[in-house]
Amino acid sequence: DGGITQSPKYLFRKEGQNVTLSCEQNLNHDAMYWYRQDPGQGLRLIYYSQIVNDFQKGDIAEGYSVSREKKESFPLTVTSAQKNPTAFYLCASRPHKAESTDTQYFGPGTRLTVL
Amino acid sequence: QQPVQSPQAVILREGEDAVINCSSSKALYSVHWYRQKHGEAPVFLMILLKGGEQKGHEKISASFNEKKQQSSLYLTASQLSYSGTYFCGQPGAGSYQLTFGKGTKLSVIP
Repeated sequence: DGGITQSPKYLFRKEGQNVTLSCEQNLNHDAMYWYRQDPGQGLRLIYYSQIVNDFQKGDIAEGYSVSREKKESFPLTVTSAQKNPTAFYLCASRPHKAESTDTQYFGPGTRLTVL
Repeated sequence: QQPVQSPQAVILREGEDAVINCSSSKALYSVHWYRQKHGEAPVFLMILLKGGEQKGHEKISASFNEKKQQSSLYLTASQLSYSGTYFCGQPGAGSYQLTFGKGTKLSVIP
């Protein structure tokens, strides 16, 4: 089945620890995205990548880092510099060619809780 | 800038209709609508590409008015399964990422 997978679904970490969230897609999409969701805040863009080995900061990149070494994978590291890391994290992907009918498709999300 | 959605929340009885609005302070080239169930990923509903063009998904339709820089989602004869939070997203000029509104929480009760 083609799709986007995120693991784990639930993640607990102690304050001050870095943690890496996984995002894999087998849709052959070029562009990938990370969003953070907090209650009442909608979806806020953390980082995005349009091609391998290239990525750009979104609206709330501070305290996060990413890599894009493979087309299929776009892991997100939540560092200890992120002040309020507890949130629901969503990964998405989209074909790079800007066809007007293309949209983003989301993975199932990872709920991170920092204790 | 984030599109503005209204209302923030709405409660309906089964069979009632609802309208969710999405407006932007900048030019809209397209509007993407999603629905998210609690604890799940947003699911794509439809894209609106042209002014005044309506799209449909089940008994959900939408319109897009470029001049007014707004889109509206129409839910007809609502079902319990329509409950969730609806988001509109708009692409930036020349970019691929979407900026989403804060969402409209729709609750359908028996």
